[in-house]
Amino acid sequence: TQLLEQSPQFLSIQEGENLTVYCNSSSVFSSLQWYRQEPGEGPVLLVTVVTGGEVKKLKRLTFQFGDARKDSSLHITAAQPGDTGLYLCAGGGYSTLTFGKGTMLLVSP
Amino acid sequence: DSGVTQTPKHLITATGQRVTLRCSPRSGDLSVYWYQQSLDQGLQFLIQYYNGEERAKGNILERFSAQQFPDLHSELNLSSLELGDSALYFCASSVATSGNTIYFGEGSWLTVV
Repeated sequence: TQLLEQSPQFLSIQEGENLTVYCNSSSVFSSLQWYRQEPGEGPVLLVTVVTGGEVKKLKRLTFQFGDARKDSSLHITAAQPGDTGLYLCAGGGYSTLTFGKGTMLLVSP
Repeated sequence: DSGVTQTPKHLITATGQRVTLRCSPRSGDLSVYWYQQSLDQGLQFLIQYYNGEERAKGNILERFSAQQFPDLHSELNLSSLELGDSALYFCASSVATSGNTIYFGEGSWLTVV
């Protein structure tokens, strides 16, 4: 079973701060996805990274896939309260998508 | 709104009982997935159906079963419920079986007392 470890488990910051959350595995993934889940909602796909070393940007969010395709990071610049939520990474094919347990991010005004 | 509809949103039932969770996928999506989310286990894949046929199985207990009907809606049946089955159950859908984005519903909160 492929496992994805996410860190930190919980992060509480002030608006305007920068942060990075990590997703690590001992297994190689053909692709890795990041989702955000807000309270009372299902996870929503943010990005898919496929190539080792790939960097993708989504406004203030920067996603990086490790060269060996075993790890990924999500960096948020100038966090806003609207960024609050559970950030999940997931790897593997859709039928066998393995999720990490997530990083709960709380951004206070 | 992802377009995936799940009912009921909340359900409280007693141990030993049986419940059915219902899911309507997004219009045009042929694949339906069921996931269970709990605090200790995180989001776990249970089962996938594609166009009415079972496509993949994950960590689904024998007490649980699912099916996808000709109109593509799906039901997840949970029987002989135990306290540990209390969780958020998500349905997700996608156009095909791979290479497409999957869209999650808002989930069904199941509490077993």
